[in-house]
Amino acid sequence: GIQVEQSPPDLILQEGANSTLRCNFSDSVNNLQWFHQNPWGQLINLFYIPSGTKQNGRLSATTVATERYSLLYISSSQTTDSGVYFCAVIPSGTSYGKLTFGQGTILTVHP
Amino acid sequence: GAGVSQSPSNKVTEKGKDVELRCDPISGHTALYWYRQSLGQGLEFLIYFQGNSAPDKSGLPSDRFSAERTGGSVSTLTIQRTQQEDSAVYLCASRLGTGTLSSQYFGPGTRLLVL
Repeated sequence: GIQVEQSPPDLILQEGANSTLRCNFSDSVNNLQWFHQNPWGQLINLFYIPSGTKQNGRLSATTVATERYSLLYISSSQTTDSGVYFCAVIPSGTSYGKLTFGQGTILTVHP
Repeated sequence: GAGVSQSPSNKVTEKGKDVELRCDPISGHTALYWYRQSLGQGLEFLIYFQGNSAPDKSGLPSDRFSAERTGGSVSTLTIQRTQQEDSAVYLCASRLGTGTLSSQYFGPGTRLLVL
């Protein structure tokens, strides 16, 4: 099956810093989502981005489908950004879409 | 409600007992998924429903696991004769329509601990 690798596995920042999280996938996809799992375990949708670039406030994401990677940018980080960030994909040619998740990036933002 | 809801939030059970986990998807969402999150395995797919049918049960880890969906809405995941390795967070997600070109939305999960 498709492989999803996220990097870095852990990231520690001071409040106000910027960061880039990466997601590599091993096959073509027609669905890619970024999630933030907060300290209470809730998976929060950040972006649905199988290709192109999107921005939402301090967060933005870019997926280069032809090169099989996606990037999540966090600017001016805040302590509330702490948690685990997951990338999840659905391979092209799949008719109904079970998500395959990466192992996540654990982000800690210190005040 | 506005989002996917799951109950109970937490469940502690003894090895060998049966448990039922419930998921209420977003109103109008026809696709429903169950996933499991455990320390050693990350987030794994369990089963997919479209309406009341389950065309993909390939992620269920053993025949002790079963799920059903009624009325195209509420789904129940049942684990029989629970084992300690079943301890995990069980997450439900729903999506509008068929196909793959839309977002899945997750509930808060049920944290299951098998003693």
